[in-house]
Amino acid sequence: GAVVSQHPSWVICKSGTSVKIECRSLDFQATTMFWYRQFPKQSLMLMATSNEGSKATYEQGVEKDKFLINHASLTLSTLTVTSAHPEDSSFYICSARVPSYPGKADTQYFGPGTRLTVL
Amino acid sequence: QKEVEQNSGPLSVPEGAIASLNCTYSDRGSQSFFWYRQYSGKSPELIMFIYSNGDKEDGRFTAQLNKASQYVSLLIRDSQPSDSATYLCAVGGFGNEKLTFGTGTRLTIIP
Repeated sequence: GAVVSQHPSWVICKSGTSVKIECRSLDFQATTMFWYRQFPKQSLMLMATSNEGSKATYEQGVEKDKFLINHASLTLSTLTVTSAHPEDSSFYICSARVPSYPGKADTQYFGPGTRLTVL
Repeated sequence: QKEVEQNSGPLSVPEGAIASLNCTYSDRGSQSFFWYRQYSGKSPELIMFIYSNGDKEDGRFTAQLNKASQYVSLLIRDSQPSDSATYLCAVGGFGNEKLTFGTGTRLTIIP
């Protein structure tokens, strides 16, 4: 399967600081990547769809000015959590879309995730 | 709004038995169906996908799809303790549409 990496795997920061998380597709080009957030013992929540060369599409209720997404190349998307607060502490996971069969949904492969703790 | 429903569990299955995980979806136009496994504290890992009605087998895993009933299932034969995880069902339409994920079923294999 396709390999997706994330960096860092975990980060601890002080309240009010900004944190950048990188998502890379290692062995394929990804025109679309997705960012998810998952709180403990809860399901995945899609935050936004990141498209190479264009603005990200945010899900309802997700603050685009707080969660900045940049997809500057076919292998890299970044999520920046600006002015992080303790309530932003969560497990952030990206996925990359691999084209599938015609007429079928593309397959998503997930990165290993980044655990963010805001003090 | 598209919905994907799964029993949250926990589902406990003895080692060596067959684990059966179920998923229903609301959008009749859905075309693609995926099963992911997520270990505690880890990200989801793709197990298999299925597009056509019927069964699809991959090793100990079998995905079953019934579009008329809007139902997809995952069978795990000869269950092992290492199969203990949360299993996520995901449903999609065409191309680059985002997937809709269920909330997952927590499976525990009892040695």
